[in-house]
Amino acid sequence: DAKTTQPPSMDCAEGRAANLPCNHSTISGNEYVYWYRQIHSQGPQYIIHGLKNNETNEMASLIITEDRKSSTLILPHATLRDTAVYYCIVSFTGNQFYFGTGTSLTVIP
Amino acid sequence: GAVVSQHPSWVICKSGTSVKIECRSLDFQATTMFWYRQFPKQSLMLMATSNEGSKATYEQGVEKDKFLINHASLTLSTLTVTSAHPEDSSFYICSAALAAEETQYFGPGTRLLVL
Repeated sequence: DAKTTQPPSMDCAEGRAANLPCNHSTISGNEYVYWYRQIHSQGPQYIIHGLKNNETNEMASLIITEDRKSSTLILPHATLRDTAVYYCIVSFTGNQFYFGTGTSLTVIP
Repeated sequence: GAVVSQHPSWVICKSGTSVKIECRSLDFQATTMFWYRQFPKQSLMLMATSNEGSKATYEQGVEKDKFLINHASLTLSTLTVTSAHPEDSSFYICSAALAAEETQYFGPGTRLLVL
């Protein structure tokens, strides 16, 4: 079963930062936090992952709280192409992913 | 990032026939591949974990005799839906684990419609 909870939907104005929260209060010490997104009728796309420290790449930033019970994915300048369902997953590296319901992000012009 | 392909991208078949879906890691070797199923407006559901050279591990409620998985090489896993029925119509997605990068990369998915 999924170990994460996310809001079902969010809106964000184009050009603004999109902040997507995720709760994972039962995360184990060696489990990573992964973020993927799925655009309609496509396979999920990897965004970012982290263990304890905050992470940043060309797509997004990942902020993990000190107690690791929650995290936030930040898309710094949302575009219309960022409209998708975003999934937060916790898992040991190399292990199965159990997807939750995700957050449907709509970027508004 | 690493590229995972699936073939075919969509398939329509008659009830009672078998359908094979291929999942390939194009530029890396994957010791572990995963198969998921997604029904309309729902999330991805893990079906099975496929390890090269060994039997697949199926999730609870997934019929291993109906969904045959073969992981014959480090770059290829196949899912065969045997005696397909309309309720098997779904979006089937595979992923491959790239151990060195601690991540999974997903294929584009295969849409199956059973008439």
